[in-house]
Amino acid sequence: DGGITQSPKYLFRKEGQNVTLSCEQNLNHDAMYWYRQDPGQGLRLIYYSQIVNDFQKGDIAEGYSVSREKKESFPLTVTSAQKNPTAFYLCASSLLPGQGAHEQYFGPGTRLTVT
Amino acid sequence: QKEVEQNSGPLSVPEGAIASLNCTYSDRGSQSFFWYRQYSGKSPELIMSIYSNGDKEDGRFTAQLNKASQYVSLLIRDSQPSDSATYLCAVNIRGGKLIFGQGTELSVKP
Repeated sequence: DGGITQSPKYLFRKEGQNVTLSCEQNLNHDAMYWYRQDPGQGLRLIYYSQIVNDFQKGDIAEGYSVSREKKESFPLTVTSAQKNPTAFYLCASSLLPGQGAHEQYFGPGTRLTVT
Repeated sequence: QKEVEQNSGPLSVPEGAIASLNCTYSDRGSQSFFWYRQYSGKSPELIMSIYSNGDKEDGRFTAQLNKASQYVSLLIRDSQPSDSATYLCAVNIRGGKLIFGQGTELSVKP
């Protein structure tokens, strides 16, 4: 089955600890994205990548870091510098504009709670 | 002005009625428009995409786009309780990036 997987589904951490969220896709998509969703809010873009070894900041990149060493994988690290890390984190992927329909498809999400 | 605006709701309709969800956007250069459905606690699921002016139908769903008015809507015919969810409008404003509205909560009452 083609799709996007995120792990873990739930994650609990103490304040001051870095944590890495996993995102893997086997859709052969070039573009991958990380979003954050807070209760009652829409999605806000953290980082995105359109090619291996390259990525760009989104609207709320402060306190986060990413890597894109493989086309299939785009892990997100929530660092201790992120002031309000508790949220629902969503990974998505798509074809690039120009490759055809570039709808974004989402993984199941990781719900991070920091206390 | 927000780049993508939706009424937050909740929008309540009786079972079998037509639910109408609306979205406006600010960037006239936007080319691609998407509707996602998100059940509580779950991730968004793409239900419709529309790229040109007019209507696009898929089963009980119809997306309508009016670029001159910067307006995109989603109609759900014969609404079912299982349609109760939050509906997110997303607009491709810059390259492959999407800007999302805050979502409209729909409640379909049996």
